[in-house]
Formats: sequence, structure tokens, C-alpha cells
Amino acid sequence: AQTVTQSQPEMSVQEAETVTLSCTYDTSENNYYLFWYKQPPSRQMILVIRQEAYKQQNATENRFSVNFQKAAKSFSLKISDSQLGDTAMYFCAFMNRDDKIIFGKGTRLHILP
Amino acid sequence: DTGVSQDPRHKITKRGQNVTFRCDPISEHNRLYWYRQTLGQGPEFLTYFQNEAQLEKSRLLSDRFSAERPKGSFSTLEIQRTEQGDSAMYLCASSSPEAGRAGEQYFGPGTRLTVT
Repeated sequence: AQTVTQSQPEMSVQEAETVTLSCTYDTSENNYYLFWYKQPPSRQMILVIRQEAYKQQNATENRFSVNFQKAAKSFSLKISDSQLGDTAMYFCAFMNRDDKIIFGKGTRLHILP
Repeated sequence: DTGVSQDPRHKITKRGQNVTFRCDPISEHNRLYWYRQTLGQGPEFLTYFQNEAQLEKSRLLSDRFSAERPKGSFSTLEIQRTEQGDSAMYLCASSSPEAGRAGEQYFGPGTRLTVT
């Protein structure tokens, strides 16, 4: 069975700093997708970034980038120049070919002014 | 805004009552998913539809739970004989894998259920 592990329940960083959120996963599949979703307080979940496992190049979306290490089954999220609006729960997630997303337990990120 | 909508946003019910939630996906999305999220946890998959066909149900979905998507558009999730353990946020999401963005699911705001 696939699992997703986020080892950092909570993190705090100063505004404008860079922060990295960790995620590891376990699967025997070779083709799959990895995601980071953001859930702001009392607001709905939105997709931050998406990585296809067959692509070696790390995905980037503006200030958000990932470090995808397929052999190590590691998928960390780096947020550069953090902003107050980045305060949220961040979920690492995995999807294989059956189109079912498996989420980690989340990391609560606080951006401090 | 034509995002995913869910109704109601909040529901308080007494143990043993039946409740029904509705989800309206993004109109061109043919896949619709239901998740349950308890406090401090990530969402857990419950079931999903491709058009009107229910393709998979999680073992979390006991026989008290039933989901439908009768015309391949909106979906309903019904919980019969609610229990306190059913208290959670119920999230709906939709996607359109054929659009070339496989896995990119768009979430609704959720329905928060409290069973007293």
C-alpha cells in the first residue's frame, strides 16, 4: 500500500525567509504523480505544485519548487521569499494510475511578520 | 466563479439521524471525488465517479454511506444513522484527466458535519 509521510507537524519562519517542507512516500509503482496542496485556515484546498515521476526535472511554480528524489522516495517543497499569505496547512500527496490521491498528515506552516 | 461548490457548508445533527450532502463539480469535469478529513489529518479518499459510474469505494465507506452521481453532474453523499465518529469535514473534488493535467483535482470548501 502507498503511504505518504510528513515528519514536520508544524513549522514557523520569518517573512521573506526560505523554508523547506519534507515529505517521503512509499510505493512499488514506477509511474505516479506527486503533489503539494495548500489549505489556508478556513479556506479550501488548492494545488500548489505537481510532479510527474517520469520527469527528472524538478517542478517549479514561481516561489515554489520541489526537490524530487525518486530513488530515495523523497519530495520536499521549498518556498522562497515566504509571504504572510503562505500561512497554511501543506499536504504532500501521491497518486498512481488509479487516480486516487493519498495525502500525508500535513505540516502547519506559520509565516511570522 | 465556477469552482466546486458544496452544500451545506455546516451541518449539525443528532446521532442516529440521516444527512445528505451535495457537491457540484466544475461543469466540464467528468471525475468527482469524495474525501473525509478529520481534525489534524489529511483528507482520506472515500469514493469517486467517472461521469455517473462509481468506480471505487474505500473500505472507510461503511454500508451506512452511499454516494450517487445520477446524471454525471452533481453528486450526493448520504450518511444514514449517523454516529459521533462521522463528525468530520467532507470534501468534494473534481478533475478532468483528459485535459492533460492528470491528478489535478479542484476541491470544494467542504461540508463540516458535527454529530451530537
